[in-house]
Amino acid sequence: GENVEQHPSTLSVQEGDSAVIKCTYSDSASNYFPWYKQELGKRPQLIIDIRSNVGEKKDQRIAVTLNKTAKHFSLHITETQPEDSAVYFCAAGDSGAGSYQLTFGKGTKLSVIP
Amino acid sequence: NAGVTQTPKFQVLKTGQSMTLQCAQDMNHNSMYWYRQDPGMGLRLIYYSASEGTTDKGEVPNGYNVSRLNKREFSLRLESAAPSQTSVYFCASRRLSSYEQYFGPGTRLTVT
Repeated sequence: GENVEQHPSTLSVQEGDSAVIKCTYSDSASNYFPWYKQELGKRPQLIIDIRSNVGEKKDQRIAVTLNKTAKHFSLHITETQPEDSAVYFCAAGDSGAGSYQLTFGKGTKLSVIP
Repeated sequence: NAGVTQTPKFQVLKTGQSMTLQCAQDMNHNSMYWYRQDPGMGLRLIYYSASEGTTDKGEVPNGYNVSRLNKREFSLRLESAAPSQTSVYFCASRRLSSYEQYFGPGTRLTVT
């Protein structure tokens, strides 16, 4: 099955700096790569996603890049703010057999220091 | 639109007791999922239902059963709870031909 590795497990940045979180996946059949943000005690919420036919996608201060050859993808947050502090999860998805299953990484706890 | 709802929010069980976690969605989604979240482990898929009438095992199905009662509802049953099942359980749903999964608020379960 799919295996998703996520690094780092914790990340502290000064407010205004950039944060980068990296993930690798093992199954070349995976074709969908979402990022979820989870605040303490809350549910995971999708913040950005990318399909395998796209190399980069941006939404305001957030961007995701995908390298299919190397099987890795990254989340970039620029001009970080204290409200960006949360746990971020990457995932890899496969539409095979119609299941659209997601395999999640173990998460990165991002702390933005004011 | 309530989205995905879960009951109960919190539950404490003794080892060996049974219980059912309930999940419902009002978005007319076809697929539904149950995950467990443990510290440092991310979200792991327990069972899923690609469509009404079907269920399949995920990564960690042992000790659990599921029922897709109808298109709206997907329940998770623990027949004989064990301390290793102490976790936060999330239900999610997804509409046809879309990848995006919408999560419920979670159920925090403690087994003593």
